[in-house]
Amino acid sequence: DAGVTQSPTHLIKTRGQQVTLRCSPKSGHDTVSWYQQALGQGPQFIFQYYEEEERQRGNFPDRFSGHQFPNYSSELNVNALLLGDSALYLCASSTMTGGSYEQYFGPGTRLTVT
Amino acid sequence: GQQVMQIPQYQHVQEGEDFTTYCNSSTTLSNIQWYKQRPGGHPVFLIQLVKSGEVKKQKRLTFQFGEAKKNSSLHITATQTTDVGTYFCAGRNYGQNFVFGPGTRLSVLP
Repeated sequence: DAGVTQSPTHLIKTRGQQVTLRCSPKSGHDTVSWYQQALGQGPQFIFQYYEEEERQRGNFPDRFSGHQFPNYSSELNVNALLLGDSALYLCASSTMTGGSYEQYFGPGTRLTVT
Repeated sequence: GQQVMQIPQYQHVQEGEDFTTYCNSSTTLSNIQWYKQRPGGHPVFLIQLVKSGEVKKQKRLTFQFGEAKKNSSLHITATQTTDVGTYFCAGRNYGQNFVFGPGTRLSVLP
């Protein structure tokens, strides 16, 4: 049973560029949440996708957008990259069924903006 | 908005000593989760607490949810070097997303 997978593992971009990060949830999970984790800090909630729609959104600008596909996989897009966007981007999958809310995190994508 | 705080920020213990981290929310929570993140790794789910005053145990780990559902604690008995990492609590207000605390970084000296 594959866990949560994310790609790429590392990414280096230049200010102003755009980036797309990908996530495949754990088998049986239908909900994907994205988090940004700066060095030495806790994960900050970006948004959550369920049934291909953005259900909740954290305090992040519109430069951050996402998508969920019919197979529950998800993408996170960030436009007009800033130096401050450098962080570990984590994808967490869960299921709405049963009200568990247990989140399984992927290994993350380390984004460096220069 | 909802804020989640954790103390202490860092804790250094000798192997075999006990360790406790505390989590406090600015609002009442519907549930709270605890995660462990090893250096260079990703958060790993430990447990979820839902009921007021709930206490759950996992081997040497004891988790407690406060009566008012605004605070929680994680206690590790007789720490081992494998306990090294950062422990995060994540609180959820009814219908909202989980808000993570800043974490408590635990180091265990052999």
